[in-house]
Amino acid sequence: GENVEQHPSTLSVQEGDSAVIKCTYSDSASNYFPWYKQELGKRPQLIIDIRSNVGEKKDQRIAVTLNKTAKHFSLHITETQPEDSAVYFCAARRPRDDKIIFGKGTRLHILP
Amino acid sequence: DTGVSQDPRHKITKRGQNVTFRCDPISEHNRLYWYRQTLGQGPEFLTYFQNEAQLEKSRLLSDRFSAERPKGSFSTLEIQRTEQGDSAMYLCASSLVGDSNNEQFFGPGTRLTVL
Repeated sequence: GENVEQHPSTLSVQEGDSAVIKCTYSDSASNYFPWYKQELGKRPQLIIDIRSNVGEKKDQRIAVTLNKTAKHFSLHITETQPEDSAVYFCAARRPRDDKIIFGKGTRLHILP
Repeated sequence: DTGVSQDPRHKITKRGQNVTFRCDPISEHNRLYWYRQTLGQGPEFLTYFQNEAQLEKSRLLSDRFSAERPKGSFSTLEIQRTEQGDSAMYLCASSLVGDSNNEQFFGPGTRLTVL
């Protein structure tokens, strides 16, 4: 069935260091991969996305990579800041109905 | 505010009671999705509508759950005979098919607590 695996579940990094979150997906029909940031008690917010015809995308301190053959995709945050502390979800979306399958999330702690 | 809105934001109910939640999507968005998020988990798809038609329901949606979107605008999600396991955040999202990324915009959610 449709599944998105996300690792690690918790990640602590020193402020200024980089953070990497990795995901795999099972549905080969998925063609769009959004990443969401969710702060405590708030709605998920889209922070970056990547389409299946692209291998890498960057937006300031955030970058995503996609290996469609291996069904792997990753989020990289460089020069981490305290406000990056949140839960991050990777997701895969299929074109037929735009149904989004979310990973279980990574709780990112930025240490002072 | 032209974003997705949900009402109520919080609902506390006793086991066995019925509850109904409302979602107002972004105006002119033709797709509307319901997700459920339990503590420490990612949102899980429940069902979605294209205009007024309900096109898919997850296996997570038992017979006690029903969703409607009667005029293709707002939607309601009703849970009958609530159980403690129904306690979760219920998120609504809407999108416009044909928009550049068909991005789904999430509402603030309704947090349900079943005592």
